[in-house]
Amino acid sequence: DAKTTQPPSMDCAEGRAANLPCNHSTISGNEYVYWYRQIHSQGPQYIIHGLKNNETNEMASLIITEDRKSSTLILPHATLRDTAVYYCIVTNQGGKLIFGQGTELSVKP
Amino acid sequence: GAVVSQHPSWVICKSGTSVKIECRSLDFQATTMFWYRQFPKQSLMLMATSNEGSKATYEQGVEKDKFLINHASLTLSTLTVTSAHPEDSSFYICSAPDRASGGETQYFGPGTRLLVL
Repeated sequence: DAKTTQPPSMDCAEGRAANLPCNHSTISGNEYVYWYRQIHSQGPQYIIHGLKNNETNEMASLIITEDRKSSTLILPHATLRDTAVYYCIVTNQGGKLIFGQGTELSVKP
Repeated sequence: GAVVSQHPSWVICKSGTSVKIECRSLDFQATTMFWYRQFPKQSLMLMATSNEGSKATYEQGVEKDKFLINHASLTLSTLTVTSAHPEDSSFYICSAPDRASGGETQYFGPGTRLLVL
């Protein structure tokens, strides 16, 4: 599975958009980009995933660059409850999820 | 999304005893489930893949005789930590892919916190 690189931490003001970047320069053609988040002491929560097109759901938007070497998760209006560790993972559908260190997002009032 | 449950949510046991953790897919069937372990301030580490009706496959460095996995039905996988020691104290999390959702999105249980005294 391709490896991902994320900044270790980010801050965001409550009510503003949180943009979380992820680099995955070695992604292969059949690998998807998945985003999960883990709030302290809970199991990871699925957010969104995509192959090459941009995706949007009720939680977030996923922007994947045309060359698929990087992506950005956008939380349009961050709230304090969005404070969590966000993981970007690339894998084949149904494949193992190998977690990196993720980005610790702190949403501040 | 699909719901995965774990039981118990936390357990304290004495060193040398065995502990069983259950993982259930509540509203979908899962022929495969995954078990992870997470130490404080670290990321999740994949331990093994649980396969319904066949043997589990373990990641490198994970002792299969210590972490027994049984996938008895399409909705239940169990992880038994045998002869637990304090270094086995950790947060154990399972996941299962919901193939009916049109993709292969994995959903995670809430985790089981194990403390071995």
